[in-house]
Amino acid sequence: GAGVSQSPSNKVTEKGKDVELRCDPISGHTALYWYRQSLGQGLEFLIYFQGNSAPDKSGLPSDRFSAERTGGSVSTLTIQRTQQEDSAVYLCASSLITGGDEQFFGPGTRLTVL
Amino acid sequence: AQTVTQSQPEMSVQEAETVTLSCTYDTSESDYYLFWYKQPPSRQMILVIRQEAYKQQNATENRFSVNFQKAAKSFSLKISDSQLGDAAMYFCAYGGNYQLIWGAGTKLIIKP
Repeated sequence: GAGVSQSPSNKVTEKGKDVELRCDPISGHTALYWYRQSLGQGLEFLIYFQGNSAPDKSGLPSDRFSAERTGGSVSTLTIQRTQQEDSAVYLCASSLITGGDEQFFGPGTRLTVL
Repeated sequence: AQTVTQSQPEMSVQEAETVTLSCTYDTSESDYYLFWYKQPPSRQMILVIRQEAYKQQNATENRFSVNFQKAAKSFSLKISDSQLGDAAMYFCAYGGNYQLIWGAGTKLIIKP
């Protein structure tokens, strides 16, 4: 498949547990973005990667959230000590270049924290 | 800082009719992109249409067209001959230096 893929599609976890969400962007796309979307809401920007570096981490809501990208490809968003307010859909997108270029989205991971 | 405003939380239209979704934005830049994305219940975000600010001609994609008013900082989406499959959340986005700035979305309901 040529699109952005994310795994898992759904994740249910208990409060206090750590979770890892994975994003596999379109091959050759240098920019990768993570967003959070609460039910019926818009997109909340979390972090952006250019290659393997993250020039902008300003959207990460707390130090429980971290992300990395390796080999200019796959990215992992990690949430430590999950809280109920972390429940949301986490969307990943990639774009060929930066500068407001079109972003291609994955199907998202729905995270539920009990 | 750039902002994007979608003032209509929800719109409804009769099947086969035309509907217009509003979007305004604020920026001091002269060159940028604007986008409309669609998010159906499947939650997959799909690009509907894209406009480059330096182009005066309004973008069109089949039944979808925009009314881009650069001076007014307005970017509305017109959907002609609405179909049941058009039912979704529609998000307006401004293409800044390295990320997209998103509006809150408009839920479009299609009445059969």
